Amino acid sequence: AQKITQTQPGMFVQEKEAVTLDCTYDTSDQSYGLFWYKQPSSGEMIFLIYQGSYDEQNATEGRYSLNFQKARKSANLVISASQLGDSAMYFCAMRENSYGGATNKLIFGTGTLLAVQP
Amino acid sequence: AAGVIQSPRHLIKEKRETATLKCYPIPRHDTVYWYQQGPGQDPQFLISFYEKMQSDKGSIPDRFSAQQFSDYHSELNMSSLELGDSALYFCASSLTTGENNSPLHFGNGTRLTVT
Repeated sequence: AQKITQTQPGMFVQEKEAVTLDCTYDTSDQSYGLFWYKQPSSGEMIFLIYQGSYDEQNATEGRYSLNFQKARKSANLVISASQLGDSAMYFCAMRENSYGGATNKLIFGTGTLLAVQP
Repeated sequence: AAGVIQSPRHLIKEKRETATLKCYPIPRHDTVYWYQQGPGQDPQFLISFYEKMQSDKGSIPDRFSAQQFSDYHSELNMSSLELGDSALYFCASSLTTGENNSPLHFGNGTRLTVT
């Protein structure tokens, strides 16, 4: 069964610095997708970035980048130039390949609470 | 751009009552998911629908049921509510592709409080 592990319950970072949020995963499938979501205190779930298991390059979206190390089964999120508005819970999630669209659900890790300090 | 719309945003019910949560997915998205997120927890998958047919089932109690209608909106029906059902309930939608790169787009959630 697939599993996502986020070992950092909480992280602090100074404004304008970079921070790395760890995520490791376990799956027996060869084809899968990895996602990061941000959940501010207001509660909504915001999609940040996606990495496919066959993608050779690390995904980037603005200040977000994903450090994908397939052999280590890790998909760490890097946030550059942290801003106060980045303070939130961050969830790593995985979807295994499912032909025919029968199962496309995401499985989430337990999350990392990031606090950006001025 | 249109987002996933959930209603109501907040709901307060008493034990043993029933509740109905509604979800309107992003237009042309063919899959709807329901998740439950308890306080300080990660979202737990409940159930999903693909083209109005139930496609997967997770840890959804027998007291809960869901369906997707012809206009693609979905409803989660919860009966005999218990204190432990108090949580944030998310609906999400996605467009199924041959690869698994389509993200789930979440609504703002319905915060259910059972007293």
